[in-house]
Amino acid sequence: EADIYQTPRYLVIGTGKKITLECSQTMGHDKMYWYQQDPGMELHLIHYSYGVNSTEKGDLSSESTVSRIRTEHFPLTLESARPSHTSQYLCASSDLLTGANYGYTFGSGTRLTVV
Amino acid sequence: AQSVAQPEDQVNVAEGNPLTVKCTYSVSGNPYLFWYVQYPNRGLQFLLKYITGDNLVKGSYGFEAEFNKSQTSFHLKKPSALVSDSALYFCAVSPPMDSNYQLIWGAGTKLIIKP
Repeated sequence: EADIYQTPRYLVIGTGKKITLECSQTMGHDKMYWYQQDPGMELHLIHYSYGVNSTEKGDLSSESTVSRIRTEHFPLTLESARPSHTSQYLCASSDLLTGANYGYTFGSGTRLTVV
Repeated sequence: AQSVAQPEDQVNVAEGNPLTVKCTYSVSGNPYLFWYVQYPNRGLQFLLKYITGDNLVKGSYGFEAEFNKSQTSFHLKKPSALVSDSALYFCAVSPPMDSNYQLIWGAGTKLIIKP
């Protein structure tokens, strides 16, 4: 099983609440990614990081923010959740070696529902 | 612009029959090519990759993929489908000049195997 962990697995929260989705990996990978995916649909890159103190926005505009203070940790924060944020959020990681051999390693995802 | 196309949203196959899930790409040079599988409410799992060498590559769960450079295709195949193969399949490409191995994703194909 992949050594990348996402918590919580499922979250139901009210509109306007602040939430943080956690992602941690124990593989020492320098690159980490957040994707948003509606059920059964395509992946949309919302944030990525190539190392500590490095974060970039992805292809899909998102109201979320990320931080990368430690190599192993890449949390995603929504300051004020809205129903339009209801989706599955997938975290992934890679490095120079695994990127060439396996692409990315994915966590199991967080299914977020905003009511 | 670089892109990956999975022309079929859904593929239906009877159990025991061969299956093909199509992928074509528009990336210059010789990219790395990947297939991933996603089961419901899970992250993506690596299936197989092509970097160089034999055009037919073998991967997990009896899957294989055929690389065709002239057609810029990387179709996923399996000689005899199982009901348990039903899942969402993603093709991904890593452009050759991207030292970060950031992946470009297809939109996904839902594979349904009927008993």
